[in-house]
Amino acid sequence: TAGITQAPTSQILAAGRSMTLRCTQDMRHNAMYWYRQDLGLGLRLIHYSNTAGTTGKGEVPDGYSVSRANTDDFPLTLASAVPSQTSVYFCASSAGNYNEQFFGPGTRLTVL
Amino acid sequence: GENVEQHPSTLSVQEGDSAVIKCTYSDSASNYFPWYKQELGKGPQLIIDIRSNVGEKKDQRIAVTLNKTAKHFSLHITETQPEDSAVYFCAATYGGSQGNLIFGKGTKLSVKP
Repeated sequence: TAGITQAPTSQILAAGRSMTLRCTQDMRHNAMYWYRQDLGLGLRLIHYSNTAGTTGKGEVPDGYSVSRANTDDFPLTLASAVPSQTSVYFCASSAGNYNEQFFGPGTRLTVL
Repeated sequence: GENVEQHPSTLSVQEGDSAVIKCTYSDSASNYFPWYKQELGKGPQLIIDIRSNVGEKKDQRIAVTLNKTAKHFSLHITETQPEDSAVYFCAATYGGSQGNLIFGKGTKLSVKP
């Protein structure tokens, strides 16, 4: 199985443009997460979803939105990108709370 | 809110030596403490975790200890090998988060052959 996949692998985006980062898992996990990773700051949770149809805000949700229409997909949208959103974005999934999170390979986003 | 402090930020050891990474957390309601390893260009991968009802857990060369009273937990790697070189992250759940994690800032471990 593929596990968890993310697309694109990398992207350069002009400030003010919108973008959707895609995430798909084939493990039938209930919970999914979006993190951003910045040098010296570790991983910070942006948004999460405990089950299809529900979403919640993490530590740094401003400027991002998510949806969870089904179990497998959890897209992250930047409505109007700003340079401070330059980061590596990781999607993760888990069978449930307090369980191992499986991470995707990441998307490197540069906002100019 | 919850805060997880991780030390040291970088650690260099000789192959065969032991490595210890320490984390402290602030939320007394935290009850799940995983450790992740991240190799260059890849996503983090769970290597070991511990829950609040256990004081120590071991898996081959890796062990984690938890002191709930002092609110700290540590990762111990024995007989280090060059392939242990990576960035390691500790994490803790935070109260009311339904199991969401706060991560430490990471430790870059270098094992010199």
